[in-house]
Amino acid sequence: KAGVTQTPRYLIKTRGQQVTLSCSPISGHRSVSWYQQTPGQGLQFLFEYFSETQRNKGNFPGRFSGRQFSNSRSEMNVSTLELGDSALYLCASSGWTGESIKAKNIQYFGAGTRLSVL
Amino acid sequence: LAKTTQPISMDSYEGQEVNITCSHNNIATNDYITWYQQFPSQGPRFIIQGYKTKVTNEVASLFIPADRKSSTLSLPRVSLSDTAVYYCLVGPAEYGNKLVFGAGTILRVKS
Repeated sequence: KAGVTQTPRYLIKTRGQQVTLSCSPISGHRSVSWYQQTPGQGLQFLFEYFSETQRNKGNFPGRFSGRQFSNSRSEMNVSTLELGDSALYLCASSGWTGESIKAKNIQYFGAGTRLSVL
Repeated sequence: LAKTTQPISMDSYEGQEVNITCSHNNIATNDYITWYQQFPSQGPRFIIQGYKTKVTNEVASLFIPADRKSSTLSLPRVSLSDTAVYYCLVGPAEYGNKLVFGAGTILRVKS
């Protein structure tokens, strides 16, 4: 089956601009999570959506937002970009799709979107 | 969430077995132990998950002692392509729950 697809793979923006990243989860997965990865802070949780509702949120400013559509696809938006927002943004999906119930909360990651803020 | 401690880096040679140990003294009763692998500029990839004793799949084994305060990921006969960062995660298994990543262990496999 197709994996998690993130678009675009690379983005270059300037400070003050806004950006929207897209994530298509594995078919049948209803939970989508977003993570930010930087060399200094590592992998950090941004937020998680399930059935179009944000269930969990990490410790990021309000400039970071997201949404999920009825087909489980998700977008995240970063407004008023700062240099420190340069990072690899990763999307992960999870859900019951007939896999072993012994494997719980296994999240499948996309290849990420590399955002560079100049 | 339980804090995890693992070695910053490890070196090995092709064909050897590699064991990466993770310490998680404050693991809770409902926590599972999960390992992910990450290559540069890619998202983490699930390797294995366990609750207690030993779990084995086609790529790795996970050993968890009775007190569950540590776990060991065992990679049999590593190859150059196993060079990656390996993360040990501990947390509740409710699906969609946030994953808390530590710094991970950089494994370098040499020829």
